[in-house]
Amino acid sequence: GAGVSQSPSNKVTEKGKDVELRCDPISGHTALYWYRQSLGQGLEFLIYFQGNSAPDKSGLPSDRFSAERTGGSVSTLTIQRTQQEDSAVYLCASSFPLTSGGDYFGPGTRLTVL
Amino acid sequence: AQSVAQPEDQVNVAEGNPLTVKCTYSVSGNPYLFWYVQYPNRGLQFLLKYITGDNLVKGSYGFEAEFNKSQTSFHLKKPSALVSDSALYFCAVRSGSGNTGKLIFGQGTTLQVKP
Repeated sequence: GAGVSQSPSNKVTEKGKDVELRCDPISGHTALYWYRQSLGQGLEFLIYFQGNSAPDKSGLPSDRFSAERTGGSVSTLTIQRTQQEDSAVYLCASSFPLTSGGDYFGPGTRLTVL
Repeated sequence: AQSVAQPEDQVNVAEGNPLTVKCTYSVSGNPYLFWYVQYPNRGLQFLLKYITGDNLVKGSYGFEAEFNKSQTSFHLKKPSALVSDSALYFCAVRSGSGNTGKLIFGQGTTLQVKP
């Protein structure tokens, strides 16, 4: 596929469980971003990767949230001990900064914490 | 701090009429500005960007946006609206140097185009 893919598309979990969300960026895109979208908060930045390093983690809301990127490609966002306020749509985006273009967003993972 | 504002939660227009979705920004330095559209249960789709040069930029689906430095605005426009344009629109500014770093989004504006 030519676009950004995310899995799973939907995830329902119980409060206190850990979840992993996956993002497959467009091949060759060096920059990768995680955002979350919820009704009350709009679009919130979580973390930015350039290659495998994360120069900006300022949006991670707590130490329960972590992310990694391996091989300059796939990224995983992990939420430990999920809380109901973590319920949101988690969006991943990738880009190749030197092209001065926009970022390409995936379809998102809808996380529901019961 | 850098920020983006979309003053209208919703814009209603009749099909065939021109539309404008407003956006103002606050950044230090030269802004990298973007418009994205989100259809229901879909991810964000890139519409257009302003980096430098001509203040009027053209994008996908017949949309265009005008960069106005003195008014710090980047309004989205289309000469003739379609019902299929009904969606949620986001204005954003790049926070880092050049075209790197997070996007800071406005609150979003719902565009409703009625037949």
